[in-house]
Amino acid sequence: GQSLEQPSEVTAVEGAIVQINCTYQTSGFYGLSWYQQHDGGAPTFLSYNALDGLEETGRFSSFLSRSDSYGYLLLQELQMKDSASYFCAVFKGGSSNTGKLIFGQGTTLQVKP
Amino acid sequence: DTEVTQTPKHLVMGMTNKKSLKCEQHMGHRAMYWYKQKAKKPPELMFVYSYEKLSINESVPSRFSPECPNSSLLNLHLHALQPEDSALYLCASSTRPNQPQHFGDGTRLSIL
Repeated sequence: GQSLEQPSEVTAVEGAIVQINCTYQTSGFYGLSWYQQHDGGAPTFLSYNALDGLEETGRFSSFLSRSDSYGYLLLQELQMKDSASYFCAVFKGGSSNTGKLIFGQGTTLQVKP
Repeated sequence: DTEVTQTPKHLVMGMTNKKSLKCEQHMGHRAMYWYKQKAKKPPELMFVYSYEKLSINESVPSRFSPECPNSSLLNLHLHALQPEDSALYLCASSTRPNQPQHFGDGTRLSIL
């Protein structure tokens, strides 16, 4: 089967740095994605790692280690607007044209003043 | 605003009604998806269309019927829904199934 583990809640203060970890077990791994979802909103794609290493996009960075089946999302210079749910997701499929995205249960990030 | 457009944004319907949810994207994506999401839960996959053909049906009840008229449009036809079907219904698209997905704003559905 496949599963993803991420913390259910994380709290941090404005201006701080927070790391949200994700461990996964899946076959046919094609990459690890991260999505942000504000209350009442739709998921928004943040980042995607197909290969090992760090991807940086502004204040957000994402890391992947395929040998450890582990990744994380790093949020720097936290702002109040970063309060949201963050989902890691892996693609499970037999080929690049078949398969589906498997989501973790989500991490609720609360940023405090 | 997103590049995947869903209509309507809100829908209230009775259990005997028939309605349709619509989704449109003009990014040239060849994979499109329907998800159901309950509060505080991750999106739950319902259907995947790849190159306008249904490739995955996650054992969804037949009261939900998807349709992909062309590469830009995706519909979800609803009939005889149950109160437990009340949820946020999300449409998404990607260049290919193994690529990151772009979500629409969703349709918030309430079944009376």
